[in-house]
Amino acid sequence: KAGVTQTPRYLIKTRGQQVTLSCSPISGHRSVSWYQQTPGQGLQFLFEYFSETQRNKGNFPGRFSGRQFSNSRSEMNVSTLELGDSALYLCASSHYDIGDNEQFFGPGTRLTVL
Amino acid sequence: DAKTTQPTSMDCAEGRAANLPCNHSTISGNEYVYWYRQIHSQGPQYIIHGLKNNETNEMASLIITEDRKSSTLILPHATLRDTAVYYCIVRAFTGTASKLTFGTGTRLQVTL
Repeated sequence: KAGVTQTPRYLIKTRGQQVTLSCSPISGHRSVSWYQQTPGQGLQFLFEYFSETQRNKGNFPGRFSGRQFSNSRSEMNVSTLELGDSALYLCASSHYDIGDNEQFFGPGTRLTVL
Repeated sequence: DAKTTQPTSMDCAEGRAANLPCNHSTISGNEYVYWYRQIHSQGPQYIIHGLKNNETNEMASLIITEDRKSSTLILPHATLRDTAVYYCIVRAFTGTASKLTFGTGTRLQVTL
């Protein structure tokens, strides 16, 4: 079974631009979560989607948004990029949205904002 | 979710058991203990989880104390490939339980 895939793997943008990152969960998984990892803040939860609905949201500004499609694939968008948005963005999928189920992470998209 | 406390770093000789402790003294009855690890710049990898009984899988064993206030992840025969940051996470069993709250983790260095 294929793992979680994220595209692109690397991205360079300049301040003020916007970016869209994509995540394809493991087949059959309906829950997709997004995390941001920076050296200063560590791994921080962005948001979670289940069956095309946002179920949970972390403490990030409205510039960060996401969506999930009917095939469970998810995208996240960051508008008006800032230097501080440079980070590794990780996507994780799980089979259910509740309970003692594990999340499987993708390799991440490394975003650099210049 | 309850807060966890882990040592910042640990060393282990290859072939020996690596015992990684985690303190979660404020854990609630409906909260699970999860362990993930992250090898440099890769996505975190699920290792094991448990509620109150000890658990074992092909990667590791998880020992949870009877009062559930602490736990230990055991890698029985550490290899160089086990060098990583190990995260202990306490997660509630709720309707929106997919959120994982990562701490700073323990950086395990396995040496020859």
